[in-house]
Amino acid sequence: DIVMTQSPLSLPVTPGEPASISCRASQSLLHRTGRKYLDWYLQKPGQSPQLLIYLGSIRASGVPDRFSGSGSGTEFTLKISRVEAEDVGIYYCLQTLQPPLTFGGGTKVEIK
Amino acid sequence: QVQLMQSGAEVKKPGASVKVSCKASGYIFSDYSLHWVRQTPGQGLEWLGRINPNTDTTDSAQKFQGRVTMTKDTSITTAYMQLSGLTSDDTALYYCARSSEGTWYAFDYWGQGSLVTVSS
Repeated sequence: DIVMTQSPLSLPVTPGEPASISCRASQSLLHRTGRKYLDWYLQKPGQSPQLLIYLGSIRASGVPDRFSGSGSGTEFTLKISRVEAEDVGIYYCLQTLQPPLTFGGGTKVEIK
Repeated sequence: QVQLMQSGAEVKKPGASVKVSCKASGYIFSDYSLHWVRQTPGQGLEWLGRINPNTDTTDSAQKFQGRVTMTKDTSITTAYMQLSGLTSDDTALYYCARSSEGTWYAFDYWGQGSLVTVSS
């Protein structure tokens, strides 16, 4: 199984400041087609997870452009250019290259 | 609008089975696969498997093979996930989520979750 490791575990942020979350895969998520099979989700308190980014860097419909995803085959980053109060919650990466699909352990983002 | 409406909370005894439903609306049922994901305090988010309503094929994590059964009833646009041989480790919030048919990525809509508690 592909192991997904996120860091940091907890991220205190200041509104208006940038934030960055890392996700490392135990093997490359780069497909021969050039696609990178990595999603990012945000689970706000008391809610189901919501899709932010898929295929490494494509923003889902309705997701603000302050969110961006990037990465190589095994190292991925989610960046928030200017954090807003509504961005608090737990962020998860998910590899979708091969079954079983596996999630990272999550990064809890909270306001300082 | 797209909705995935899940069945209510269940309490089961160890060794029993549970069947969770996921009623889809607002889109063409056969155009999207439905995945099952669970969330436990200790294990975080865990993918159980998926069903493709168009082809009726299923794929499940090896960890759950033999215990998980995913089915669907196209006439009522509902998917089901049955988990047997329950233990306390199966106590979790179970979600359904959809992805475009033939793909495994971009779970763009999720159900509200169904809490399953396993307790003697």
